[in-house]
Amino acid sequence: GDSVTQMEGPVTLSEEAFLTINCTYTATGYPSLFWYVQYPGEGLQLLLKATKADDKGSNKGFEATYRKETTSFHLEKGSVQVSDSAVYFCALSVGGGYNKLIFGAGTRLAVHP
Amino acid sequence: GAVVSQHPSRVICKSGTSVKIECRSLDFQATTMFWYRQFPKQSLMLMATSNEGSKATYEQGVEKDKFLINHASLTLSTLTVTSAHPEDSSFYICSASLAGGSDRETQYFGPGTRLLVL
Repeated sequence: GDSVTQMEGPVTLSEEAFLTINCTYTATGYPSLFWYVQYPGEGLQLLLKATKADDKGSNKGFEATYRKETTSFHLEKGSVQVSDSAVYFCALSVGGGYNKLIFGAGTRLAVHP
Repeated sequence: GAVVSQHPSRVICKSGTSVKIECRSLDFQATTMFWYRQFPKQSLMLMATSNEGSKATYEQGVEKDKFLINHASLTLSTLTVTSAHPEDSSFYICSASLAGGSDRETQYFGPGTRLLVL
């Protein structure tokens, strides 16, 4: 079945470091891909998305490119800030009638000054 | 835009009582709303999908008689945890997707409701 695999955390970085969080997926058909972010004690917020191969989603300095050949959607940011500390979830939409989301396990990011 | 609210944000109840959680889309109409459960430091587990005016579709292993879902309008869905027990303690999150338009795949999440059953 459809699934999402994320790199295990926690990821600990110093401020201004480069961030990569790996995400790969398996799916039948052509899913849309998403990154959601969850700050402590809050619900999820959509960070970015891509709906087809080679699309690049970007927001708040974060980027991810939909790579069909490697079934990946890695999240990157060139210079992280302390305020980026959160849990990041990769997800795919299985489409169909209900557009269910399948989430990865989440990767906790801690950024230190 | 696309704001989803949940009420209450936190609730503590005694074992055996029922708890209702509301999920509202504040500035858009939601054809479909989703209910998730999240355990500490884990991912979200989809419990059920509800469409306005029809019965919810529950995921395998989720008891529909225990977790009652009502989606009476395009802006409101409720989850009632009936006869709650301590093992039902969790973080419950709802989401909604836009009715119509080209962005039906994106889900907008509420802030979550933390339930503690004593």
